[in-house]
Amino acid sequence: QTVVTQEASFSVSPGGTVTLTCGLNSGSVSTRHYPSWYRQTPGQAPRTLISTTNTRSSGVPDRFSGSILGDRAALTITGAQADDESHYYCMLYVTSGVWMFGGGTKLTVL
Amino acid sequence: QVQLVESGGGVVQPGGSLRLSCAATGFAFSSHGMHWVRQAPGKGLEWVVHIGQNANNKNYAASVKGRFTISRDNSENTVYLQMNSLRAEDTAVYYCAKDYYWAFDYWGQGTLVTVSS
Repeated sequence: QTVVTQEASFSVSPGGTVTLTCGLNSGSVSTRHYPSWYRQTPGQAPRTLISTTNTRSSGVPDRFSGSILGDRAALTITGAQADDESHYYCMLYVTSGVWMFGGGTKLTVL
Repeated sequence: QVQLVESGGGVVQPGGSLRLSCAATGFAFSSHGMHWVRQAPGKGLEWVVHIGQNANNKNYAASVKGRFTISRDNSENTVYLQMNSLRAEDTAVYYCAKDYYWAFDYWGQGTLVTVSS
């Protein structure tokens, strides 16, 4: 059974840099999985940050960047701000016609 | 301005049915695939189903295959989710989302489905 893995939680200091990752229990993540990243605060709908590995959505600041690091997809936030505190989800196109989210990472800024 | 507005959520008994709708405005609806994503209370996001722009291509998560059916009406700019044989574990906020290069670029605000006796 395919599972998309993410860190359960992470913390970063204001102004710091953090990298969240997204893996596959069945192997390496590559650009052919079209990794995307979403952010959600409690009670709100998700917001798209990154699609196709590293394309920022409209209005997303360039503090957010996507990449492949080793065998995982990665979301890097530089210059973390208090309002970056949120849940972050990655999603992979795991096989033809099947998309799958990771369990999400709760990011704390303190 | 792209808008996606879901409706049709509510309380239903186990084994019952419900049909959700997602009305789209602000983009060429017939040129884009659409998805439904759900989120159980206190849990993460789960992709549920995708429909291609011309409705010939439909893909379902294993958890809903055979019970849920997605459809679309391009003349009404609306996508539907018919949910049958509902279970307690289908309780969730259901979001529709616009397809964008194997991801989503716009989301609706969601509609809550509660399966309970």
